[in-house]
Amino acid sequence: EDQVTQSPEALRLQEGESSSLNCSYTVSGLRGLFWYRQDPGKGPEFLFTLYSAGEEKEKERLKATLTKKESFLHITAPKPEDSATYLCAVGNAGNMLTFGGGTRLMVKP
Amino acid sequence: DTAVSQTPKYLVTQMGNDKSIKCEQNLGHDTMYWYKQDSKKFLKIMFSYNNKELIINETVPNRFSPKSPDKAHLNLHINSLELGDSAVYFCASSQTIRAGYYEQYFGPGTRLTVT
Repeated sequence: EDQVTQSPEALRLQEGESSSLNCSYTVSGLRGLFWYRQDPGKGPEFLFTLYSAGEEKEKERLKATLTKKESFLHITAPKPEDSATYLCAVGNAGNMLTFGGGTRLMVKP
Repeated sequence: DTAVSQTPKYLVTQMGNDKSIKCEQNLGHDTMYWYKQDSKKFLKIMFSYNNKELIINETVPNRFSPKSPDKAHLNLHINSLELGDSAVYFCASSQTIRAGYYEQYFGPGTRLTVT
């Protein structure tokens, strides 16, 4: 059974204080690791897909990296508007996504 | 234009009732999904349809029945609602670019409350 564990569950940062979110996974036949952002009362918003170990992708202050067992979402100099829950998911050969429980990020001005 | 839309946004109903949630996507995708997000915020796949054909049906009670009239629509009908069905239900869609590679785009969710 595919499993995704995200840590920490919650993270409080001061504006400008860089940090990383972790996503550990086990999956049968990885077909992609996905990062989503979810704001309260809204659906998950797609951020990145990573397909193979060593791959990196960036978008504004976010950078996602992938190894064979985990992925990191690095947040550089975060702003209050980066506050959200960040979800990690793995896709398998059966076209199924398995999500982690998310990391709730709060950035204080 | 909204890419994936759901109606209604909120649904409050009593135990034992039957209700439906509608989903439409205008992205031209070939696959649509229903997910359930419980109070602990875990998102779990319920159903997946590809070109109107059911391809994933996770362990979901028979009271839940998806219906896909065409590629752009996937509705969820729930019979005999129970308290434990209270959750947020998300519709999503994706396009199979090549075998097994895809990105899913989510709707805004429907918050179902069963009293």
